[in-house]
Amino acid sequence: SAVISQKPSRDICQRGTSLTIQCQVDSQVTMMFWYRQQPGQSLTLIATANQGSEATYESGFVIDKFPISRPNLTFSTLTVSNMSPEDSSIYLCSVEDGAGYTGELFFGEGSRLTVL
Amino acid sequence: SQKIEQNSEALNIQEGKTATLTCNYTNYSPAYLQWYRQDPGRGPVFLLLIRENEKEKRKERLKVTFDTTLKQSLFHITASQPADSATYLCALDGRYGNKLVFGAGTILRVKS
Repeated sequence: SAVISQKPSRDICQRGTSLTIQCQVDSQVTMMFWYRQQPGQSLTLIATANQGSEATYESGFVIDKFPISRPNLTFSTLTVSNMSPEDSSIYLCSVEDGAGYTGELFFGEGSRLTVL
Repeated sequence: SQKIEQNSEALNIQEGKTATLTCNYTNYSPAYLQWYRQDPGRGPVFLLLIRENEKEKRKERLKVTFDTTLKQSLFHITASQPADSATYLCALDGRYGNKLVFGAGTILRVKS
């Protein structure tokens, strides 16, 4: 299993500003995933962050809007840039089960952003 | 396009009864399917995984079935308790690319 800590847990932001979310894992992992969960919606994968290479973004998400850093095997950040009210959402960091590939994901508690 | 459907209406049941949640999918051939529980303000927590060659999987009061012909999974909680109240998400692997795709979830409310 993995324990994931996310900061901030929630924030209220002004339109046009940027916010960086931090994700810390208690063990070394190859891939870290960033999801968005809008109210009443399913989790949507934003990007996969690999240490030592650029993140891989899913359709509809771009690096300029959601830059990601992955400086080591236990830490990643997601920045939400030039925010608008449509970016109000819960952002979740997750990692895969490391003990044999089953695809099971462990999630952080999430960062709830409200953009005014 | 690929689609996962979970009942958008909340399921309200009486304590002690069996709760049954449904996950239907189209345009998928998943190698496995997962179920997660999500409490308000928390991240999802993994519950069960069932592979395409498995018909049924059990874990304590939980049971999952997987019918690849019907393209459906059923998630059962027997002897339900108020503490089982949460949102339950199903997720399918993308097979090609190994990316999990989640349904929107079903809210379960167990009343005492």
